[in-house]
Amino acid sequence: GDSVTQMEGPVTLSEEAFLTINCTYTATGYPSLFWYVQYPGEGLQLLLKATKADDKGSNKGFEATYRKETTSFHLEKGSVQVSDSAVYFCALDLAGKSTFGDGTTLTVKP
Amino acid sequence: SAVISQKPSRDICQRGTSLTIQCQVDSQVTMMFWYRQQPGQSLTLIATANQGSEATYESGFVIDKFPISRPNLTFSTLTVSNMSPEDSSIYLCSVEEGGLFHFFGSGTRLTVV
Repeated sequence: GDSVTQMEGPVTLSEEAFLTINCTYTATGYPSLFWYVQYPGEGLQLLLKATKADDKGSNKGFEATYRKETTSFHLEKGSVQVSDSAVYFCALDLAGKSTFGDGTTLTVKP
Repeated sequence: SAVISQKPSRDICQRGTSLTIQCQVDSQVTMMFWYRQQPGQSLTLIATANQGSEATYESGFVIDKFPISRPNLTFSTLTVSNMSPEDSSIYLCSVEEGGLFHFFGSGTRLTVV
């Protein structure tokens, strides 16, 4: 079946550091790809999305590019802030069914 | 974008009891989804609820344990029945936007003691 594999956490960075959270997927078709963010005590919020190969999703300084050849959708941010501390989930949607990765906890220290 | 209100936000329940979680959406939606997020883990789909029909349950989840109601296009409930400590999780409802990505409620944090 479809699956999403995320870089294991937790990830701890200093403020203004560069962030990469790796995500790869396995799917039987051509899925849409997403990153969701979950702040402490809250539900998931869509961070960014890409619906086809080579699309780049971006939001709040975060970016991810849909790489069909490597089946990847890595999340990047050039300069993280303390307020970016959260759990990040990579997900795919295929034929209306969503599959989520296990989540990566990011802690940013001042 | 949809706004989803979920109640209660958290609860502590005795084993053997049941809890009903409510999910209210500010617009009419065809499908609503219920997920479980066990501590430190990802989301697992429990069931999909369409208005006017029985919910469709994923493998490992049964109606007797997780009965769902969907009385109209803006509301759904999930009941966690005969609870045990293993049911301690965050329960999330969601709706689809544009048939693609999900909007989530803020979740119900359930602790069973």
